[in-house]
Amino acid sequence: EPEVTQTPSHQVTQMGQEVILRCVPISNHLYFYWYRQILGQKVEFLVSFYNNEISEKSEIFDDQFSVERPDGSNFTLKIRSTKLEDSAMYFCASVSQGMVAKNIQYFGAGTRLSVL
Amino acid sequence: AQTVTQSQPEMSVQEAETVTLSCTYDTSESDYYLFWYKQPPSRQMILVIRQEAYKQQNATENRFSVNFQKAAKSFSLKISDSQLGDAAMYFCAYTQGGSEKLVFGKGTKLTVNP
Repeated sequence: EPEVTQTPSHQVTQMGQEVILRCVPISNHLYFYWYRQILGQKVEFLVSFYNNEISEKSEIFDDQFSVERPDGSNFTLKIRSTKLEDSAMYFCASVSQGMVAKNIQYFGAGTRLSVL
Repeated sequence: AQTVTQSQPEMSVQEAETVTLSCTYDTSESDYYLFWYKQPPSRQMILVIRQEAYKQQNATENRFSVNFQKAAKSFSLKISDSQLGDAAMYFCAYTQGGSEKLVFGKGTKLTVNP
């Protein structure tokens, strides 16, 4: 069964460093999302992306964050200068054109980001 | 803004028994979608069940069913014949549909006792 793949599974970085979290959505999907989950808290929406542009972003998604679909398969989340409070689990999700009316989002296994 | 509330941080159930997880939500929209996602220790988010607000019939998926009370804005999940593999965090989520974002509750940790 096709699945959303995220790499790395765990990323450790120093405060102030740039990180790029990578996602490979399911191949025929067109809508992409990033969510984050701080340990012990609920999953929060960061950004949605369609047709090579941001559709919606939350207050969390400030100028330190950016997303990109550099080729036909990858979808990346970049944090320019990481802060301690960016430590969280980051989930990528995608939806196919056929499923968008039902909004069935398929999630990856997540990347745990630890900022030291 | 839409909000989702799960009032039970933790629940436990005996294997083979039935358990109900509660969820309430707040929205002014009449058309929307509700979901239950399961997050096992592996942290993968797995869709359990989905309900369309315009449908009065409660959704069911094998041992999982919902009690959708639109007027009360309540969306509970019932797990029948609980199995050890059902142990996980369960998140209730809301969306207005289309390509809209999911809004999640804080989750309920379900423990299944053998």
